[in-house]
Amino acid sequence: DTAVSQTPKYLVTQMGNDKSIKCEQNLGHDTMYWYKQDSKKFLKIMFSYNNKELIINETVPNRFSPKSPDKAHLNLHINSLELGDSAVYFCATRRDRSYEQYFGPGTRLTVT
Amino acid sequence: GQNIDQPTEMTATEGAIVQINCTYQTSGFNGLFWYQQHAGEAPTFLSYNVLDGLEEKGRFSSFLSRSKGYSYLLLKELQMKDSASYLCAVREGGGADGLTFGKGTHLIIQP
Repeated sequence: DTAVSQTPKYLVTQMGNDKSIKCEQNLGHDTMYWYKQDSKKFLKIMFSYNNKELIINETVPNRFSPKSPDKAHLNLHINSLELGDSAVYFCATRRDRSYEQYFGPGTRLTVT
Repeated sequence: GQNIDQPTEMTATEGAIVQINCTYQTSGFNGLFWYQQHAGEAPTFLSYNVLDGLEEKGRFSSFLSRSKGYSYLLLKELQMKDSASYLCAVREGGGADGLTFGKGTHLIIQP
């Protein structure tokens, strides 16, 4: 059983399109995150979501919107894709009162 | 602001010991983490320090000095599979409460 899974693993799309990346966890963790890792391998926090509270990193464009249909899922919707959105996106989870974050396998997004 | 610095690349020999340093300047501090990331894979947790001192876990140890804003990851008895990127990260607390990562150190193990 995969603890944190993401779909799709690869996504190639054109500029201007709208796309979604899904994240699912079966760990029962309370907080979920989205991170972006750019071409220089720099990993940056985008969002955290805990108990229906969304906290957004101030540098994230509002074209990005996470949506959580239930506690096990945190999906990432991206509108009007731009070339600079090309990156690997990682979902991560953490249990309350714990420090360790568990990362999903990543989704490589390529915008052409 | 926030700044986490670590060397871009290091090379070491199989069976040897290597120390990867990390310095940080962050607006808050709620723990320092080391993650390992093999190419094309997800980061995996190695260690966590929130108090000063050394934490040992098998072949891996991590040290923290909060007053100096400094940490290191020590890898002993290096194996070829230890070739990977090692990411230093700080949990600042507040805000999105995620981890703020350094740019990672690419460790190359030679036979």
